[in-house]
Amino acid sequence: GESVGLHLPTLSVQEGDNSIINCAYSNSASDYFIWYKQESGKGPQFIIDIRSNMDKRQGQRVTVLLNKTVKHLSLQIAATQPGDSAVYFCAENLVGDDKIIFGKGTRLHILP
Amino acid sequence: DAGVIQSPRHEVTEMGQEVTLRCKPISGHNSLFWYRQTMMRGLELLIYFNNNVPIDDSGMPEDRFSAKMPNASFSTLKIQPSEPRDSAVYFCASSFTPRNQPQHFGDGTRLSIL
Repeated sequence: GESVGLHLPTLSVQEGDNSIINCAYSNSASDYFIWYKQESGKGPQFIIDIRSNMDKRQGQRVTVLLNKTVKHLSLQIAATQPGDSAVYFCAENLVGDDKIIFGKGTRLHILP
Repeated sequence: DAGVIQSPRHEVTEMGQEVTLRCKPISGHNSLFWYRQTMMRGLELLIYFNNNVPIDDSGMPEDRFSAKMPNASFSTLKIQPSEPRDSAVYFCASSFTPRNQPQHFGDGTRLSIL
C-alpha cells in the first residue's frame, strides 16, 4: 500500500549489513524526536525516541543519534533483516507545541 | 495489549455521501490525533484532542470535515458531503500527553470516494 510521496528517497541495503537512515529536522527549538516505521498497509509504528538533552540512545538493534548543532537525526539498524523493509519517518516536537511534525520518509529496501 | 483500533479498515462510497470513521484510543491515553496520508502530501495532522477536548483543528481541510470525542475511549471523524479529493488513508493516534510522548497509531482507514 502506498503511503508516502512520489519522490521518496530509497536506501538499498544488503541483508545482514547495517542501515543508516538520515533526517534533517527543521527547527532548532525542537526538543523531542521520534523514529517511526511504516509497513505496507499499516500505520506508523513507534521505534525509538530521544530528547534533546541526549545525543544517543540505543534500543534493540536500533540506535538513534542526535546532532543538534547541524539539526541532524539518524537511525542505525544493526544486521538488517527482510522484516526491516518499510518506510521510516523521523518526527520532531517543538518546544511549547503539542504537534509532531513528520518528515517525508525514507524507504528501506533490503537486498537478498 | 490492544493498540489503537480504527474502523472500518476500508471504505468505498460515492461522492456526496456521508462518511464516518471511528477510533478507539489506547486505554489510559489522554490525547488523540487524526491524520490523513496521501501520496502527494504525506502525513498531515487534521485535529487533536486532549482529555476529550479539541485543542487544534487548524488542519481540518474545510467545513465538510468534523470530529468529535464524546468520551475517553471513542472518537469519530466525519466527512459530509464527501468528495473524490478526500480519498486518502486516515489514521488515528493516541498518546499519554500531547507532547514529549510517542504517538501510537492505528492501522488506518483507506477511504475511496468515487
